[in-house]
Amino acid sequence: ETGVTQSPTHLIKTRGQQVTLRCSSQSGHNTVSWYQQALGQGPQFIFQYYREEENGRGNFPPRFSGLQFPNYSSELNVNALELDDSALYLCASSLGRYTYNEQFFGPGTRLTVL
Amino acid sequence: KQEVTQIPAALSVPEGENLVLNCSFTDSAIYNLQWFRQDPGKGLTSLLLIQSSQREQTSGRLNASLDKSSGRSTLYIAASQPGDSATYLCAVSRDDKIIFGKGTRLHILP
Repeated sequence: ETGVTQSPTHLIKTRGQQVTLRCSSQSGHNTVSWYQQALGQGPQFIFQYYREEENGRGNFPPRFSGLQFPNYSSELNVNALELDDSALYLCASSLGRYTYNEQFFGPGTRLTVL
Repeated sequence: KQEVTQIPAALSVPEGENLVLNCSFTDSAIYNLQWFRQDPGKGLTSLLLIQSSQREQTSGRLNASLDKSSGRSTLYIAASQPGDSATYLCAVSRDDKIIFGKGTRLHILP
């Protein structure tokens, strides 16, 4: 059974640029959630996708968008990067459409915005 | 609005001691509570998940309790080891939202 993987592990961008982060779900899972974790903080829920449709969203602006593909892998896209977007971005996969299902996390992508 | 608080923010204890980490939440209408471990700069590892109808869950040296009515959960670690050093996060789930605390940074002294 393959766990959740994310790419890239680290990324450096400049303010105003756009970035795409990728996540491969654990085998058999049909739901993926994305989180932003600033240094010293707990993860904050960005959004969740269930069977290729957005299924819940936290308090993040529309420049944070996502996709889920038929194989249940996922992308997080962030446009017009700001300095405050610097964080660890985590994805988690689960089976079932609700956030209360047990979630399995990937190792994260560390994004630095200069 | 649900808020999750973890106290203390950091804790150092000698190896071999038993310890308790605390998590409190303001809205008792939750589906479940989950405890995670996070090593520096890494992702989260699920430790224990307690459904709202349950009072506790155990896994090895770990025991988590849930008192939904008072909005509290504790994570008990028995016979602590240096490998237990990490940040421990709790998270509560309801509907389409999951809310995390900021975590407790635990350091086990050899």
